[in-house]
Amino acid sequence: TQLLEQSPQFLSIQEGENLTVYCNSSSVFSSLQWYRQEPGEGPVLLVTVVTGGEVKKLKRLTFQFGDARKDSSLHITAAQPGDTGLYLCAGGNAGGTSYGKLTFGQGTILTVHP
Amino acid sequence: DSGVTQTPKHLITATGQRVTLRCSPRSGDLSVYWYQQSLDQGLQFLIQYYNGEERAKGNILERFSAQQFPDLHSELNLSSLELGDSALYFCASSVGPGVAYEQYFGPGTRLTVT
Repeated sequence: TQLLEQSPQFLSIQEGENLTVYCNSSSVFSSLQWYRQEPGEGPVLLVTVVTGGEVKKLKRLTFQFGDARKDSSLHITAAQPGDTGLYLCAGGNAGGTSYGKLTFGQGTILTVHP
Repeated sequence: DSGVTQTPKHLITATGQRVTLRCSPRSGDLSVYWYQQSLDQGLQFLIQYYNGEERAKGNILERFSAQQFPDLHSELNLSSLELGDSALYFCASSVGPGVAYEQYFGPGTRLTVT
């Protein structure tokens, strides 16, 4: 069974601070996605990374996929209250019986205080 | 708005009952996924359909079943409901069947079993 462990589980910071969320596994994934979810809504896809060592930037968010494709990180620069939400990482494998299955981490609840 | 629609938004029912959740994928998407989200288990993959056929199966109970119809909408049937089935149920869709295709989530159905 593939597992994704996210840390920290909770993060409470002040506006303007930087933060990093980690997503780790002992398994290799062919792709890794990051989602953001607000209460009562479905997860919204932020980014997909597929190549080991890949770095993608989305405004103040930087996503990195580990060289061995077993881990990923999300770094937010100068956090804003609008960044508050549940951040989820999800790993996928391209073949076999898990064809379209995504394995999700438990999530990181981020609260950014004004 | 992801373009994925789910009905109903909320559902309250009693133990032992049966319910049907409905999902319409984004226009042009052939693959539909069902996920369950609970506080203790996080977001768990249940089942995937692609163009009417089952493609991948996750931790779906035998009391649960799903299908995808010729018009590509999907239904998730939950029977002999137990208190522990109370959760958010999400549908997601993608263009293709594998994890290389990005999944877009609907707003979810909140099921409460009393």
